[in-house]
Amino acid sequence: DAGVIQSPRHEVTEMGQEVTLRCKPISGHDYLFWYRQTMMRGLELLIYFNNNVPIDDSGMPEDRFSAKMPNASFSTLKIQPSEPRDSAVYFCASSLRQGTGELFFGEGSRLTVL
Amino acid sequence: AQSVTQLDSQVPVFEEAPVELRCNYSSSVSVYLFWYVQYPNQGLQLLLKYLSGSTLVKGINGFEAEFNKSQTSFHLRKPSVHISDTAEYFCAVSELTGGYNKLIFGAGTRLAVHP
Repeated sequence: DAGVIQSPRHEVTEMGQEVTLRCKPISGHDYLFWYRQTMMRGLELLIYFNNNVPIDDSGMPEDRFSAKMPNASFSTLKIQPSEPRDSAVYFCASSLRQGTGELFFGEGSRLTVL
Repeated sequence: AQSVTQLDSQVPVFEEAPVELRCNYSSSVSVYLFWYVQYPNQGLQLLLKYLSGSTLVKGINGFEAEFNKSQTSFHLRKPSVHISDTAEYFCAVSELTGGYNKLIFGAGTRLAVHP
């Protein structure tokens, strides 16, 4: 079975540009999570969805960040406008409805904002 | 609120030596506990988990962890490490308060295995 698929793997952009990160969760998983990883702050949960509905977005740093899940097989995380401090690795993860906290992670999208 | 503390940010060890990576958590209710491993330029993958039952949990790659409720700890151990175990290890806790609860990760411990 395919795992969680993220794109792009690497993104380099200039400050002020819009960035869109994409995620395809594992088929049948009802929960989808977006995490951000930096050296300074470690792994931070940004937002998670259950059955395509955002449940907790308290980790989204500010209004420049938005996330959507239009269907069960696709989610996006958008940053507009991007800033250098947004540089990080962004991970998408999914889990089963009867989940016991076990998450399946994608390989991440490394974002560099110049 | 739940929190996770990994007591060592880096652990250097020689190949074939034993290793213990320490993890303590705080929570007012029952929890599930996890260890994840992250190899360079990859996502996290599950090493092992404690849900209930035996407090000694065995995972992949020869790792095991012991849940100690009185000490609120979940330390990870391996009796003999390999170079390929070099990676970052994350302890995580999921608090059972009804519904599905998000995982909270520790800051990570970088294990460096030297020949």
